[in-house]
Amino acid sequence: DTEVTQTPKHLVMGMTNKKSLKCEQHMGHRAMYWYKQKAKKPPELMFVYSYEKLSINESVPSRFSPECPNSSLLNLHLHALQPEDSALYLCASSQVVGRADTQYFGPGTRLTVL
Amino acid sequence: AQSVTQLDSQVPVFEEAPVELRCNYSSSVSVYLFWYVQYPNQGLQLLLKYLSGSTLVKGINGFEAEFNKSQTSFHLRKPSVHISDTAEYFCAVVRISSGSARQLTFGSGTQLTVLP
Repeated sequence: DTEVTQTPKHLVMGMTNKKSLKCEQHMGHRAMYWYKQKAKKPPELMFVYSYEKLSINESVPSRFSPECPNSSLLNLHLHALQPEDSALYLCASSQVVGRADTQYFGPGTRLTVL
Repeated sequence: AQSVTQLDSQVPVFEEAPVELRCNYSSSVSVYLFWYVQYPNQGLQLLLKYLSGSTLVKGINGFEAEFNKSQTSFHLRKPSVHISDTAEYFCAVVRISSGSARQLTFGSGTQLTVLP
């Protein structure tokens, strides 16, 4: 089983709202990732968690706040977003950071900021 | 740093024809190579990967790719495409290094459109 699940599938929010995206995997992977993907572009790395600790933050604005409460779960908390933050948000996981283990992607959450 | 170039942004091809999607990379160190496919409104699915060993790699859905170290290429091929292969294809690399977090570097993507 190589499944990464993401909820919700679609999200529409206003600029003053607070919402969260959820990602879950049960493959025993200890590295989890958040990516942002704009239309017709490749995914851009936002955050990497390794063994539940944040190891990479690619200079992402503080209105995006990641959280890894346990080895299976990854959240992305959203607050005071801008319309340009509208995108597909992808979660991925892999066996361990530091080796070339394959990243498995979830289906994504399509976020629209009004 | 490494970079990935996908030479064709769009590739239209007729059904049952062969197709090649080109990918070149540059890196000062050895890399691992991947091809991912993204169907409309979906996440990325791994097609195949090259880590070591045989330079001809077979993946899912009848795709294969050949790693050419001298030409720093990893082109994706399929001998006969189907309508259902219409999707965006991404080539990606990760630098082989120890003690550092791995990051996928993606190419800009190739939109494959299979025509009836």
